[in-house]
Amino acid sequence: SQKIEQNSEALNIQEGKTATLTCNYTNYSPAYLQWYRQDPGRGPVFLLLIRENEKEKRKERLKVTFDTTLKQSLFHITASQPADSATYLCALVLDSGTYKYIFGTGTRLKVLA
Amino acid sequence: GAVVSQHPSRVICKSGTSVKIECRSLDFQATTMFWYRQFPKKSLMLMATSNEGSKATYEQGVEKDKFLINHASLTLSTLTVTSAHPEDSSFYICSAIPLAVGYNEQFFGPGTRLTVL
Repeated sequence: SQKIEQNSEALNIQEGKTATLTCNYTNYSPAYLQWYRQDPGRGPVFLLLIRENEKEKRKERLKVTFDTTLKQSLFHITASQPADSATYLCALVLDSGTYKYIFGTGTRLKVLA
Repeated sequence: GAVVSQHPSRVICKSGTSVKIECRSLDFQATTMFWYRQFPKKSLMLMATSNEGSKATYEQGVEKDKFLINHASLTLSTLTVTSAHPEDSSFYICSAIPLAVGYNEQFFGPGTRLTVL
């Protein structure tokens, strides 16, 4: 069966540390993968996109890796801050033409001051 | 740029009534908009793809007569929950992809919290 899972429902880390979130999928062949941030009661906000032929993408304190052999993406936030506390969602884009997205269950990150 | 709005942000209605939710792309045009539903602490579930000028495409298990979608223009899609029941209470989120070339991400609205009493 097809599944997309994010490693943990909740993750607490200390301010200044690196947060690492995991997105695993089975039986999908995504064209690309995206990460979104969602704050309570709000819609998701796009963070990063990584294509199937890319290994790594960076944007400021964010880094995403994509391993199509392992069927896994890792999302890192370095030098984490309390303001980074939110739910982070990964999304598989199966077909770049239809833009059909499959979202993961999300990981609630809490950065402790 | 690329802002999506939703109206209303919150709505409470009685069981059996219909509720309309609007999704607007404020500074771009979108031929395709998406409607999602999200339960507490759960991920977004795609309900339907709304196509400007044509019928919406519903995901498996979503009743098209229950959730009516109209995409009347390149900047507006509406979702009407007909004869709402308490189990329809949820957070409804729309998204849109700009018509312009070069965009790969969906831009999401702020969501509408529906509570059916």
